[in-house]
Amino acid sequence: GAVVSQHPSRVICKSGTSVKIECRSLDFQATTMFWYRQFPKQSLMLMATSNEGSKATYEQGVEKDKFLINHASLTLSTLTVTSAHPEDSSFYICSARDRTGYEKLFFGSGTQLSVL
Amino acid sequence: ILNVEQSPQSLHVQEGDSTNFTCGFPSSNFYALHWYRWETAKSPEALFVMTLNGDEKKKGRISATLNTKEGYSYLYIKGSQPEDSATYLCALGKAAGNKLTFGGGTRVLVKP
Repeated sequence: GAVVSQHPSRVICKSGTSVKIECRSLDFQATTMFWYRQFPKQSLMLMATSNEGSKATYEQGVEKDKFLINHASLTLSTLTVTSAHPEDSSFYICSARDRTGYEKLFFGSGTQLSVL
Repeated sequence: ILNVEQSPQSLHVQEGDSTNFTCGFPSSNFYALHWYRWETAKSPEALFVMTLNGDEKKKGRISATLNTKEGYSYLYIKGSQPEDSATYLCALGKAAGNKLTFGGGTRVLVKP
């Protein structure tokens, strides 16, 4: 089955630093990548949708200058949390849809970000 | 506001027992209903994508039904096993290729 590799799985950083999270589709081409955030005891909340080669579309309330998304190739998308603050501490997870357009999503395993 | 509601939030099941839980969603602008299984420290895994009212899907001991007119889907686990312990997520899609809205999940713990 299709695999999405997400790294790192856990990161602890100091306030004010930037953190990059990578998602790679290992055996398929991901034309669309979705980035979610999950706070404790809450649902997965969509942050942004990225299509290969174009700018990401951000959901209402998500700061595009803070959460930089790059989807430069069909197998790699990155989320950079810039100038991270403690309130950015959360679980971040990516998912991808492949080129066939079949509806189901393939997920990474998530990144737990803790900002001190 | 689009709300996808799952109940119960958590469920303890004795090994061998069958169980079921619900996903409720607004019935307007329905396109697809997804179910995912999410085991701890792993990636969520797709179980079913359902699009037609009355649809029933089955994968091993797990099955799901869909009622788009009244806005609900049931997931059933027959003869629960410890390996069925996971969080089960449902998600609603309003259009082809569109983003999904997730419910809060039902956390299932199967006790030996």
